[in-house]
Amino acid sequence: AQSVTQLGSHVSVSEGALVLLRCNYSSSVPPYLFWYVQYPNQGLQLLLKYTSAATLVKGINGFEAEFKKSETSFHLTKPSAHMSDAAEYFCAVGGTASKLTFGTGTRLQVTL
Amino acid sequence: GAVVSQHPSRVICKSGTSVKIECRSLDFQATTMFWYRQFPKKSLMLMATSNEGSKATYEQGVEKDKFLINHASLTLSTLTVTSAHPEDSSFYICSAIGAPMNTEAFFGQGTRLTVV
Repeated sequence: AQSVTQLGSHVSVSEGALVLLRCNYSSSVPPYLFWYVQYPNQGLQLLLKYTSAATLVKGINGFEAEFKKSETSFHLTKPSAHMSDAAEYFCAVGGTASKLTFGTGTRLQVTL
Repeated sequence: GAVVSQHPSRVICKSGTSVKIECRSLDFQATTMFWYRQFPKKSLMLMATSNEGSKATYEQGVEKDKFLINHASLTLSTLTVTSAHPEDSSFYICSAIGAPMNTEAFFGQGTRLTVV
């Protein structure tokens, strides 16, 4: 069984500030982990993925995430937020990188 | 990255009618496609998994007679919402996985279904 917990349904940061979106997972097998971004009324776009290679994963738009097995975490970070980063972010876990279990999502708000 | 096209992006239908949503992989062969439903301000709920040429596997609690899924080719899967009711109104999203990028699922743009 797999599950994902995203702490904080809503996160607000100032433009230029650090973005930290939290994700903890549970998986009975070595996980594949993903972060997706969703803009209003659109599908999901992959930001980055962990598939058992490097534990620090760099993605698009300046985002990165670190896989920490001991903490069962895969938090998403970005050093400096931009207004265009405002969106819904989903963490997902998949045992075989196919069938995904999603977290409940975190809405990121970026203020001036 | 690979492209998955979902059509229509938005549809309004009358209660009791059926609606078909298409999901196409444009530049790769999708051996497996997934259909998700997303409720307002909620996460994505997997409805079913379909493999080309075989019957879809539905998740617990999803009515297979109501949500008909067909995956007749390696580039097309369809979801038909039969006898739609207002409670079926939702955002439906498909994703596809296939060679050679088997470690990543690509998502369609989603379909906003409103049943009136």
